[in-house]
Amino acid sequence: GENVEQHPSTLSVQEGDSAVIKCTYSDSASNYFPWYKQELGKGPQLIIDIRSNVGEKKDQRIAVTLNKTAKHFSLHITETQPEDSAVYFCAARAGGSYIPTFGRGTSLIVHP
Amino acid sequence: GAGVSQSPSNKVTEKGKDVELRCDPISGHTALYWYRQSLGQGLEFLIYFQGNSAPDKSGLPSDRFSAERTGGSVSTLTIQRTQQEDSAVYLCASSLMSGQRYGYTFGSGTRLTVV
Repeated sequence: GENVEQHPSTLSVQEGDSAVIKCTYSDSASNYFPWYKQELGKGPQLIIDIRSNVGEKKDQRIAVTLNKTAKHFSLHITETQPEDSAVYFCAARAGGSYIPTFGRGTSLIVHP
Repeated sequence: GAGVSQSPSNKVTEKGKDVELRCDPISGHTALYWYRQSLGQGLEFLIYFQGNSAPDKSGLPSDRFSAERTGGSVSTLTIQRTQQEDSAVYLCASSLMSGQRYGYTFGSGTRLTVV
């Protein structure tokens, strides 16, 4: 089955800096890669996703890049703000499977 | 409703008791998932429902866990004879379709504490 590794487990940055979270996956058939943000006491919320037919996708201050050859994808947050502080999860889902495999999460702390 | 609703938000139970956790998905969403999130851990898949098809129960950790979905809408996750290791946040998610085109909407979860 699919295995998703996520790094780092904790990331601390100063407000205004950029943050990068990286994930690797094992199943070359995976073709859908969502990212979720989980704030304290809430469920994860989908913030951006990418499919295997594109290499990069941007939405304001967040972007996701995908390298299918190396089987890794990354979340980039620019100009971080304290409200970006949360746990971020990556996931990968293979074609034919309806159940994504999640990474273990990254706790992002943005210091004002 | 506007989002996925889960109840109760918190549940404390004694070891050995049975508990029922409820999930009310977004109206019209045909796919429903249950996940478990233990402290500092990722999201552990438990069970998946899609329309009237037989559920995918491959993630249920033991036969003490079961779930049903009535009328293709509300779902109940039941844990029998609870153990301390069952303590976790149980998350429900729904999506419009189970294919590749739609991401999940999660509820806020039920925090279960077994004492």
